[in-house]
Amino acid sequence: NAGVTQTPKFRILKIGQSMTLQCTQDMNHNYMYWYRQDPGMGLKLIYYSVGAGITDKGEVPNGYNVSRSTTEDFPLRLELAAPSQTSVYFCASSDGQGAREGGNTIYFGEGSWLTVV
Amino acid sequence: GQQVMQIPQYQHVQEGEDFTTYCNSSTTLSNIQWYKQRPGGHPVFLIQLVKSGEVKKQKRLTFQFGEAKKNSSLHITATQTTDVGTYFCAGSINTGTASKLTFGTGTRLQVTL
Repeated sequence: NAGVTQTPKFRILKIGQSMTLQCTQDMNHNYMYWYRQDPGMGLKLIYYSVGAGITDKGEVPNGYNVSRSTTEDFPLRLELAAPSQTSVYFCASSDGQGAREGGNTIYFGEGSWLTVV
Repeated sequence: GQQVMQIPQYQHVQEGEDFTTYCNSSTTLSNIQWYKQRPGGHPVFLIQLVKSGEVKKQKRLTFQFGEAKKNSSLHITATQTTDVGTYFCAGSINTGTASKLTFGTGTRLQVTL
């Protein structure tokens, strides 16, 4: 099972460049998420989606954009990269079924290490 | 907004010692989950607690959900070097149409021989 797959694994960007982090999941999950994790810190939610065509902002959405044209894919776009966006980015998915046993388990991709110089 | 705090931020133990991390939410939760992240890895789901006062065990790990559903703990008995990593709690609030999960600040565990 592939689970959640994100690419690229590593990337170095120059200030002002743009790029897209790709994310796809094969579990038919409705919910998808993008988190960032700064060194030694916790996870901060950037954007999330509860289904195809629906996206919403998380805690730290500034400087990012997302789209959800299919259930499987949830790309994250950085338009004008800044050094503050140097971080590890995790894509994740869940079936979003709330409090039922295991219903909201989040499955994470392996992460994308992004450095902006 | 909802905040989920964990203490301690960091703990260093000798192998064989016990370890506990505590998770506290500013709001009542519908459920709480625990994740483990190995150094350089991604968070991996450990367990979910749903009921008030619930206690669950996984081998040397004991998870507890508070009576008021605002706090939780993870206790590891007789730590091993394989327990090294950061442990995150994540609290869920059902808002009607969606569950919103907020991750705690994490507790980094270091285990030495």
